[in-house]
Amino acid sequence: DSGVTQTPKHLITATGQRVTLRCSPRSGDLSVYWYQQSLDQGLQFLIQYYNGEERAKGNILERFSAQQFPDLHSELNLSSLELGDSALYFCASSVAGTSYGYTFGSGTRLTVV
Amino acid sequence: GENVEQHPSTLSVQEGDSAVIKCTYSDSASNYFPWYKQELGKGPQLIIDIRSNVGEKKDQRIAVTLNKTAKHFSLHITETQPEDSAVYFCAEKTGANNLFFGTGTRLTVIP
Repeated sequence: DSGVTQTPKHLITATGQRVTLRCSPRSGDLSVYWYQQSLDQGLQFLIQYYNGEERAKGNILERFSAQQFPDLHSELNLSSLELGDSALYFCASSVAGTSYGYTFGSGTRLTVV
Repeated sequence: GENVEQHPSTLSVQEGDSAVIKCTYSDSASNYFPWYKQELGKGPQLIIDIRSNVGEKKDQRIAVTLNKTAKHFSLHITETQPEDSAVYFCAEKTGANNLFFGTGTRLTVIP
């Protein structure tokens, strides 16, 4: 157990739908990062939050959004889902605003049918 | 600074042999280079990292080397074991304080 909790582990939904992925960072970590991993692909950075505020954006689609709540958990919202959005979505956390010591959760596998 | 090339994409070695995975980066401001191991069905796990003020770092059978001039860094695994079989990712930390990952190397250790 890495200390980073992601729910749900698996999610199957239809095209056009909206889903919410949840991440609870490791205790004491203020930063949360979201990554997308498509089949046989690397890890694509989506977005970072630090202590409730958006810190950086990567290749995140406009149909996707995220937020970090006062208790530091984060949610990634994916809307108007397309088949190509099927992927593993990982959340990672770190202590401060830097990326030293990233700890990843076990991911949410999203399947869009 | 968001371009990390990783080679090879797949690597098969006999148990007990060494494995080397190489990555190159383009952002001269990058100063932190971690390596992650991802086993099937799990999230990536940090196995070793190196900062730009160091040329080499070892941790038991694992070592990482960094050549800042050439902008490349490598992961070395000696005396490989079947449990080393996994996908390995290199990454660089850019000035934006985010990690950008290579495309991964699938290592298979043949017993």
